[in-house]
Amino acid sequence: DQQVKQNSPSLSVQEGRISILNCDYTNSMFDYFLWYKKYPAEGPTFLISISSIKDKNEDGRFTVFLNKSAKHLSLHIVPSQPGDSAVYFCAASARAGGTSYGKLTFGQGTILTVHP
Amino acid sequence: ETGVTQTPRHLVMGMTNKKSLKCEQHLGHNAMYWYKQSAKKPLELMFVYNFKEQTENNSVPSRFSPECPNSSHLFLHLHTLQPEDSALYLCASSQFFSGSPSSGANVLTFGAGSRLTVL
Repeated sequence: DQQVKQNSPSLSVQEGRISILNCDYTNSMFDYFLWYKKYPAEGPTFLISISSIKDKNEDGRFTVFLNKSAKHLSLHIVPSQPGDSAVYFCAASARAGGTSYGKLTFGQGTILTVHP
Repeated sequence: ETGVTQTPRHLVMGMTNKKSLKCEQHLGHNAMYWYKQSAKKPLELMFVYNFKEQTENNSVPSRFSPECPNSSHLFLHLHTLQPEDSALYLCASSQFFSGSPSSGANVLTFGAGSRLTVL
């Protein structure tokens, strides 16, 4: 039973346009959400996060939106650049016993290709 | 060296071999993790260590044996693996926080991974 799902295996976007990557989750205990980016032959790198007390978090060209009622989050990249081409993973965590540590549940990833 | 370093980057082993994967972090973090990424599957958490103590074993078979001698080093000892264990094994580290999730407790720094092939 996959608790975090990225239903689009791939996304192709023109440079300068908006990229929207989507993620759905089923576990209502999740209260912290993250996006990671992965280039070939490298480990995933942290991109942006959002806690369940917010519905939006912005960092430069990257914005994450959280819709708790729909159990859905999305990552918007504006404007998209060729260097953004990578695999993007959505991840979620749930606090346990008042502590929080990296027990992340990941989605399958979405391959983003930004064409010049 | 900076960040999280994993060795070897590639490993091919037979089912009767014993080998180890090594991870070292230079970030001053106090929590370390092993994740597994199989083909066409999401990353799966295997083990968590906080301050050298194992706090999570995600139902991992005993043919995988982790070792954390200190907060900077993490090993994964491999013994009598199966071909289906072939995967990318990723080490990560983070600061261990308690309290509010907005503290960024789940921001893991990953290594580049060790690509394991079991013949």
